[in-house]
Amino acid sequence: QVHLVESGGGLVKPGGSLRLSCAASGFTFSDDYMSWIRQPPGKGLEWVSYISSRGSTIDYADSVKGRFTISRDNIKNSLFLQMNNLRVDDTGIYFCVTFDSTSRAFNYWGQGALVTVSS
Amino acid sequence: SHELTQPPSVSVSPGQTARITCSGDALSKEYTNWYQQKPGQAPVLLIYKDKERPSGIPERFSGSTSGTTVTLTVTGVQAEDEADYHCQSADSTGTFVIFGGGTKLTVL
Repeated sequence: QVHLVESGGGLVKPGGSLRLSCAASGFTFSDDYMSWIRQPPGKGLEWVSYISSRGSTIDYADSVKGRFTISRDNIKNSLFLQMNNLRVDDTGIYFCVTFDSTSRAFNYWGQGALVTVSS
Repeated sequence: SHELTQPPSVSVSPGQTARITCSGDALSKEYTNWYQQKPGQAPVLLIYKDKERPSGIPERFSGSTSGTTVTLTVTGVQAEDEADYHCQSADSTGTFVIFGGGTKLTVL
């Protein structure tokens, strides 16, 4: 059974930094693309970033490019999102998700980590 | 185009058929996927590659496509189907992942 558990969320001031982590289990982590998707309070879903199985292909949404960095550790079955220069509109729940690069479908989702950017 | 358009809300009575549309220029060329999200929960993949159902998803959920519009159909709606439904695809360049704004399905 696929299990994805996010951690590292919290309250941070504008301009601050946070690092999200995602612990994966129940599947062969090193075989799968992974992604981060966020959801502002009361709003829809927004794709943030994805990373290929070995980390050679990475892409970001324009809204976070240059500020966020996605990475992974295939030995520790973990996914990360380093978020710098945070803005108020980065506030939301951040989901760790498996990504099928053929269908571009997000197959399995964690329960999410809440990030609040506020002064 | 970077946009997918969904109606904000759809309401149906139990046992009826609900249809939720998603429109966008790229949808004639790119696969569309659908997600169900209940309050306080993470989304769940409902339909992928326009019309395929993952294992465990009831047959009453189906997907179809016509030109630049895709439709999620829920046949014989049940009270437990009340949720937000999100469509997702790629933009016309095939580069960016995009989501629709979501549709709230209310079961009357």
